[in-house]
Amino acid sequence: EIVLTQSPVTLSVSPGERATLSCRASQSVGSNLAWYQQKPGQAPRLLIYGVSTRATGVPARFSGSGSGTEFTLTISSLQSEDFAVYYCQQFNSWPRYTFGQGTKLEIK
Amino acid sequence: EEQLVQSGAAVKKPGESLKISCQGSGHTFSNYWIGWVRQTPGKGLEWMGSIYPNDSDMRYSPSFEEEVIISVDKSTSTAYLQWLSLKASDTAIYYCARATGGMDVWGKGTMVTVSS
Repeated sequence: EIVLTQSPVTLSVSPGERATLSCRASQSVGSNLAWYQQKPGQAPRLLIYGVSTRATGVPARFSGSGSGTEFTLTISSLQSEDFAVYYCQQFNSWPRYTFGQGTKLEIK
Repeated sequence: EEQLVQSGAAVKKPGESLKISCQGSGHTFSNYWIGWVRQTPGKGLEWMGSIYPNDSDMRYSPSFEEEVIISVDKSTSTAYLQWLSLKASDTAIYYCARATGGMDVWGKGTMVTVSS
């Protein structure tokens, strides 16, 4: 099973600053990686798929990068609505599409 | 608007059976894989398996293969997740979601509580 390890577990950032979240895979997932945002009491929301393609309606301040085993989600200028939990998910190892354990982005 | 509408919360006793549902609307339900995801406080998000409504092809995560049954009724655009004998450890929120390059449309989740 491919294990995704996200870091840090919690990230404290001030509004307007940049946030960088990491996702490391235990083996290569190629470009089959997605990022989600989840707020309390809500379902996850797809932000990024295929490593770097923004989903419909996702603001341009969200960007994804990486390949193979190292991936990054960057939020360029944090808005109040961006404070949430973020998960990565790999789609390379069918049928076990594992998730990372999540990074909680909190207001500093 | 594309939507997946899930059935309501359920409270069950250990050993009881349960079938929860996920009905699609606003898109061609049959042409996309529908996945099920479990969320618990301790284990986060877990992919359980998925089904392709057009031909009922289904794939399970090995962790859930012996635990649940995934099915679909194409005529009503509804996918199902079923337990024959619930355990306390099945207590969780269960989401269905459409799987394309990522999981782009999600249901609101069904809370399942299993307690004696």
